[in-house]
Amino acid sequence: EAGVVQSPRYKIIEKKQPVAFWCNPISGHNTLYWYLQNLGQGPELLIRYENEEAVDDSQLPKDRFSAERLKGVDSTLKIQPAELGDSAVYLCASSLDAGTGTYEQYFGPGTRLTVT
Amino acid sequence: KQEVTQIPAALSVPEGENLVLNCSFTDSAIYNLQWFRQDPGKGLTSLLLIQSSQREQTSGRLNASLDKSSGRSTLYIAASQPGDSATYLCAVRQGAQKLVFGQGTRLTINP
Repeated sequence: EAGVVQSPRYKIIEKKQPVAFWCNPISGHNTLYWYLQNLGQGPELLIRYENEEAVDDSQLPKDRFSAERLKGVDSTLKIQPAELGDSAVYLCASSLDAGTGTYEQYFGPGTRLTVT
Repeated sequence: KQEVTQIPAALSVPEGENLVLNCSFTDSAIYNLQWFRQDPGKGLTSLLLIQSSQREQTSGRLNASLDKSSGRSTLYIAASQPGDSATYLCAVRQGAQKLVFGQGTRLTINP
C-alpha cells in the first residue's frame, strides 16, 4: 500500500514569491493534516481536514497561507507571498478516523522549503 | 495549553546498550500517545501508539509505557544498534484530533 505522497520534496524560492505544496493521502483516509516543522523542533499543526472540510485551521496564518482539499482526497497548501521565516519542512499526514481519535497518523516525507 | 517535553534533547550511547527516552506532558486528558522516529531529511515513521486506557505497547526491541496520571511516557530500546540512530518524537493526541509534539530526542548509537 502506498504511503502519503508529497511533492515537491525540495523547493527553493526567493522571498515574496508564491509556492504550493501537494499531498496525496493514503487511500481511504478521510482526515488530512498539514504540519510545519522548524529545525530542531517537533511538527506543529497548521490545518486539519475531515473529508473536504477544514475543521481546524486556527494555527494557519491566513494572511499568507491557504489550503484546499478538493473532493476530499488530494490537498494543496499555498504560501503567497513567502517570507524568510517560512523556511521549514511542511509535512502532510493522514488518518482513518473522523472524530474517534483512535487511529494513527501516517506522515509523508515532507517538503523542505528554503526562502532566500 | 498542552505542553510536551522530551528529555534529553540528545543522547549518545555505545552499541548494545539498553536505553530509555523520556516524554512528559502537562494535560492528562489525552486520547493516546504516539512515538515516532524521524531520520534526517525524512518524514515521521510511527513506532508505537498507546491508547489512553493502555499502560504499554511493545514492538520488537521497543517498549513504550504510559502513565497518564503523572503525565509521563517512556520509550525503552533494548540492545541498541547503529541503525537506531535517529530523532525520536513523542506526541499526545487530544480532543479535536490534534497531535501535540515534543521537540524530540536526537539519538546516536556508536558502533
